[in-house]
Amino acid sequence: KQEVTQIPAALSVPEGENLVLNCSFTDSAIYNLQWFRQDPGKGLTSLLLIQSSQREQTSGRLNASLDKSSGRSTLYIAASQPGDSATYLCAVRQDRGSTLGRLYFGRGTQLTVWP
Amino acid sequence: SAVISQKPSRDICQRGTSLTIQCQVDSQVTMMFWYRQQPGQSLTLIATANQGSEATYESGFVIDKFPISRPNLTFSTLTVSNMSPEDSSIYLCSVVDLGFYTEAFFGQGTRLTVV
Repeated sequence: KQEVTQIPAALSVPEGENLVLNCSFTDSAIYNLQWFRQDPGKGLTSLLLIQSSQREQTSGRLNASLDKSSGRSTLYIAASQPGDSATYLCAVRQDRGSTLGRLYFGRGTQLTVWP
Repeated sequence: SAVISQKPSRDICQRGTSLTIQCQVDSQVTMMFWYRQQPGQSLTLIATANQGSEATYESGFVIDKFPISRPNLTFSTLTVSNMSPEDSSIYLCSVVDLGFYTEAFFGQGTRLTVV
């Protein structure tokens, strides 16, 4: 069974720092990987989607990389802002026909950016 | 992308009662899922909502406790039956349109508190 681990569990930094959030997964046979943001008590907002054939994706100050063979993904946040404070979730989709749609989630990294 | 409307956004319910959560999507989608997020935990898949047939439940979840309907490609409901305080969680609807990108989108969630 796929297991997804995120490190660190929590991170508290001053505004302006560049951040690295890590995600690892045990089964490298993935179709793609998504990074989400979740604000307290809310749903999930999709940030970046990386296909298994891709190495990285960028959106604004966010950059996600994927090393499928080693089972790792990294989310970089440049020039962090207080508005980036949220929980960041990594999720992988298996490369299996009957279960292609479902996601396996990590426990998340809770980020606090203070002014 | 898909826009998902989930209702109610939150509710406080008495133990022993049932609550039905609705998920409406603005376009026809291939797959719909229901997840649960217990306090401080990551997301756990409850079931895949299948259009016109019985839902497919994950281990640990049963139809009598979490009946699901999906009458068409844009709508689904999840009922939490005979609730206990242990059912207090955020319940999230997710949709995936299978294609090259196979990206998942989430509703804003239903925050349920059972007293």
